[in-house]
Amino acid sequence: GDSVTQMEGPVTLSEEAFLTINCTYTATGYPSLFWYVQYPGEGLQLLLKATKADDKGSNKGFEATYRKETTSFHLEKGSVQVSDSAVYFCALTTETGNQFYFGTGTSLTVIP
Amino acid sequence: AAGVIQSPRHLIKEKRETATLKCYPIPRHDTVYWYQQGPGQDPQFLISFYEKMQSDKGSIPDRFSAQQFSDYHSELNMSSLELGDSALYFCASSSFEGPSYNEQFFGPGTRLTVL
Repeated sequence: GDSVTQMEGPVTLSEEAFLTINCTYTATGYPSLFWYVQYPGEGLQLLLKATKADDKGSNKGFEATYRKETTSFHLEKGSVQVSDSAVYFCALTTETGNQFYFGTGTSLTVIP
Repeated sequence: AAGVIQSPRHLIKEKRETATLKCYPIPRHDTVYWYQQGPGQDPQFLISFYEKMQSDKGSIPDRFSAQQFSDYHSELNMSSLELGDSALYFCASSSFEGPSYNEQFFGPGTRLTVL
């Protein structure tokens, strides 16, 4: 079945460090891929998305490229800030869009 | 911009009681999804509705039921509550039209605590 495998955390980085959170997926057809962010005590917020192969989603300095050949959608940011501390979820939805499949989440803590 | 509204935001119940969670989707969104997120867990899909009809079913216990009403709001009814039902319950909505097709917009969640 469809699934998402996400790099386990927690991840702790110093401010201005480079961030990579790995995400790979298993799906039939052509899924859409998403990164959601969850700040403490809050709901899920869409960070970025990509709907077809080779698409690059970007927002707030974060980027992820939909790689069909490696079935990956790794999240990257060149210089993290303390305010980026949150839990990041990789997710996919199938072509019908009836259901989201989430990764297990990666907790990121950025220290000054 | 209008977002998904969930009520209540917090709910405390005793074991074996019932609870009703409400979700108001973004205007003109026709699909609603319910998710359960246990402590430190990823959100688990429970059930979804499209145009007031159940469209997909995930890991929803038999003790739970849900429906979508004519105004597209949805309610998740939970009976015979157990300690393990304590979680954050998210509602999301989407529309199959427009540039945000295939994207789910999440509400802030209802935190249910069962004592």
